Amino acid sequence: DAGVTQSPTHLIKTRGQHVTLRCSPISGHKSVSWYQQVLGQGPQFIFQYYEKEERGRGNFPDRFSARQFPNYSSELNVNALLLGDSALYLCASSRRAAGNEKLFFGSGTQLSVL
Amino acid sequence: ELKVEQNPLFLSMQEGKNYTIYCNYSTTSDRLYWYRQDPGKSLESLFVLLSNGAVKQEGRLMASLDTKARLSTLHITAAVHDLSATYFCAVDPSTGANNLFFGTGTRLTVIP
Repeated sequence: DAGVTQSPTHLIKTRGQHVTLRCSPISGHKSVSWYQQVLGQGPQFIFQYYEKEERGRGNFPDRFSARQFPNYSSELNVNALLLGDSALYLCASSRRAAGNEKLFFGSGTQLSVL
Repeated sequence: ELKVEQNPLFLSMQEGKNYTIYCNYSTTSDRLYWYRQDPGKSLESLFVLLSNGAVKQEGRLMASLDTKARLSTLHITAAVHDLSATYFCAVDPSTGANNLFFGTGTRLTVIP
């Protein structure tokens, strides 16, 4: 079975641009979460979507937005990129929204903002 | 705000030795996760601890949870080079979402 897949794997943008990151969860998983991992730190929660509805939002500015599609895949959008947005963006999926759920992480998208 | 602290941040140990990584957190929670991350790679789930006193073991790694002390430990027995990686603990504050708060990680290097 395929794991969580993310695209693209690497991306280089300049300040002020917009970026869209994509995630396909494991088959049968209805929950997708997004995390930002800055070099040398632990991942930080951005969003969770379950059944196409937002279930949780971390402490990130409105420049960050996301959505989930009927096939449970998800997009993370970041507008007006800043240098500080450079990070590894991780997508994680689980079967349910919460509870005793193990999160399965994708390999991430490495975003560099110049 | 929930804080998750790990120590040590860096750990260099010789093969065959034992050591413990500590994870302290600042709010009530009975769900704690341990992950492993190799350089340039994603996160691999190691353990899910769901109640006070929970203990889980897999190979040379053993994790435990004390919810009253708000402390989890990851014990490494007879370390081998393949265990070199960064280890993260993560706490679920039970907000109804899969919103995990991660520690800063412990970078483990096992020296042959």
